[in-house]
Amino acid sequence: KNEVEQSPQNLTAQEGEFITINCSYSVGISALHWLQQHPGGGIVSLFMLSSGKKKHGRLIATINIQEKHSSLHITASHPRDSAVYICAVAKGGNKLVFGAGTILRVKS
Amino acid sequence: NAGVTQTPKFRILKIGQSMTLQCTQDMNHNYMYWYRQDPGMGLKLIYYSVGAGITDKGEVPNGYNVSRSTTEDFPLRLELAAPSQTSVYFCASRDTGSVNTEAFFGQGTRLTVV
Repeated sequence: KNEVEQSPQNLTAQEGEFITINCSYSVGISALHWLQQHPGGGIVSLFMLSSGKKKHGRLIATINIQEKHSSLHITASHPRDSAVYICAVAKGGNKLVFGAGTILRVKS
Repeated sequence: NAGVTQTPKFRILKIGQSMTLQCTQDMNHNYMYWYRQDPGMGLKLIYYSVGAGITDKGEVPNGYNVSRSTTEDFPLRLELAAPSQTSVYFCASRDTGSVNTEAFFGQGTRLTVV
């Protein structure tokens, strides 16, 4: 079993829908990162959080350390949100452990 | 600032050929990383460096080599390309060694070995 599991693997939504992507992990962590990867493009960091909730525009990330679970929400989704969303956990030392990613497609 | 720049973006290699994937960052970051991304899998760490002159193996170093002669550059070398090295490669850098800080990624290099 992978140390970081994301669900769903694939997600198709209609423009305007509220989207939730989940990340569960099985190890103790010091922080969790959410990253975005556009088709043919690089990877950009969206959030880094170790507790609670963070918001940036239409994106919201939450983490529950006790339940070892994080969610990334997108409100009022738009086709430009179509991308791969990657969860990564800081397990210790100076390395990250990555989930396999969630492929999101938002249709207009 | 350009951030992290990787070249080339795409490359097709024949089995047994060699090549170097270039990575440069202009943020004066000490920590640099090479990852590979395979379909359905999370990014895997190949090699990393904590500063000029210092490199160390990650999870999947076999078949690769790196060097870090300057703070800016962290090239990844494939000596004898194999089909198993077909992947997308990402270089990343970070200001500190703490994984509780943001990492900056390059645009990726899509490598196919035939």
